[in-house]
Amino acid sequence: SQELEQSPQSLIVQEGKNLTINCTSSKTLYGLYWYKQKYGEGLIFLMMLQKGGEEKSHEKITAKLDEKKQQSSLHITASQPSHAGIYLCGADISSGNTPLVFGKGTRLSVIA
Amino acid sequence: ETGVTQTPRHLVMGMTNKKSLKCEQHLGHNAMYWYKQSAKKPLELMFVYSLEERVENNSVPSRFSPECPNSSHLFLHLHTLQPEDSALYLCASSPTQGYEQFFGPGTRLTVL
Repeated sequence: SQELEQSPQSLIVQEGKNLTINCTSSKTLYGLYWYKQKYGEGLIFLMMLQKGGEEKSHEKITAKLDEKKQQSSLHITASQPSHAGIYLCGADISSGNTPLVFGKGTRLSVIA
Repeated sequence: ETGVTQTPRHLVMGMTNKKSLKCEQHLGHNAMYWYKQSAKKPLELMFVYSLEERVENNSVPSRFSPECPNSSHLFLHLHTLQPEDSALYLCASSPTQGYEQFFGPGTRLTVL
């Protein structure tokens, strides 16, 4: 089974609307990373969360990690066309130095 | 030049060809990674190098052969590939394993 589940798989929102993307695991997340990817390009780091209950914001994007450290959400306020892309969550699901595992991604489209 | 660079950006090859993908990082990182990204699938970790030693090989077919001559360079040698190997191949680096990964722009590979 998939170690990191992202929902929804795709999302179409009208410009100016708010939206939320979720990333869930059955295991404890020792580090949770959000990335954004333009189609066919590399991943751009957005934010990292490590502590239960942690919340970080950058411009109109807010990421949260729940207290149990098994779920994270990415919230975009007043979406813009520049927010369009694929959002991926990656996580360290082991307390050791292991590579990140990734979700399948959420494809976001923002329409005028 | 800074960050993670990959060449070529696009590659079309026949099943009998031999080609190589190159990744270079100027971040002073000790860990480097090769990922395969196919449509509607999560990022698939292929290989991990830490301090120029291969530390992970995720059951990747032998037609993919990695090489890490030094901590700044990573290659992926390709030979006798199959059409299903067509994908976006992403390189990443991190200070050590288990930390934020910085991604290159990827190589879009098409196998005819």
